[in-house]
Amino acid sequence: GAVVSQHPSRVICKSGTSVKIECRSLDFQATTMFWYRQFPKQSLMLMATSNEGSKATYEQGVEKDKFLINHASLTLSTLTVTSAHPEDSSFYICSALGGGAMDEQYFGPGTRLTVT
Amino acid sequence: EDQVTQSPEALRLQEGESSSLNCSYTVSGLRGLFWYRQDPGKGPEFLFTLYSAGEEKEKERLKATLTKKESFLHITAPKPEDSATYLCAVQRGGSEKLVFGKGTKLTVNP
Repeated sequence: GAVVSQHPSRVICKSGTSVKIECRSLDFQATTMFWYRQFPKQSLMLMATSNEGSKATYEQGVEKDKFLINHASLTLSTLTVTSAHPEDSSFYICSALGGGAMDEQYFGPGTRLTVT
Repeated sequence: EDQVTQSPEALRLQEGESSSLNCSYTVSGLRGLFWYRQDPGKGPEFLFTLYSAGEEKEKERLKATLTKKESFLHITAPKPEDSATYLCAVQRGGSEKLVFGKGTKLTVNP
């Protein structure tokens, strides 16, 4: 149980284009989902918290107009990187609450984004 | 500001050689301390949650302990398949957010 999927696992896009990443909780309803970014040899940095049916809460320094988050249902959240630039290249990981004990976040497998 | 510091950054062990990973933290009102395992190119895999000083949890060759200032992840008789990066994260009271350390990269040689 408590499986979270992400799609795509890898994506390469050209500078200036937009990319959408999906995060799904497969066997539970996620009350809250989180989006993280991880650079090589760095820790996971929280970008935003999303709850179904409401606006996402972004961390300080994260551009909400650049990283659009839509939490359409209790099993799906999407992250759209708009007008991507090479510096947006990173490993994006989502997590979800609701699949186990109250505080346990279950993570997706991640999406490797490369912007050329 | 909540902070998590993990040491060492990297650790190489021989198969069967037990050791410990350290996670030092400062947080206002700890709600929970979490350990995750992350394999290269994958998302973190949940291992343990610890809530109060003195608490211990075990899973196979891993045991996590918690004090008021730090947590240890003890690895007993490790195997090569235990090679991974081990992440520690803290959650403060009243929040669902996790603050992660940079992790300890463990390599277990056969």
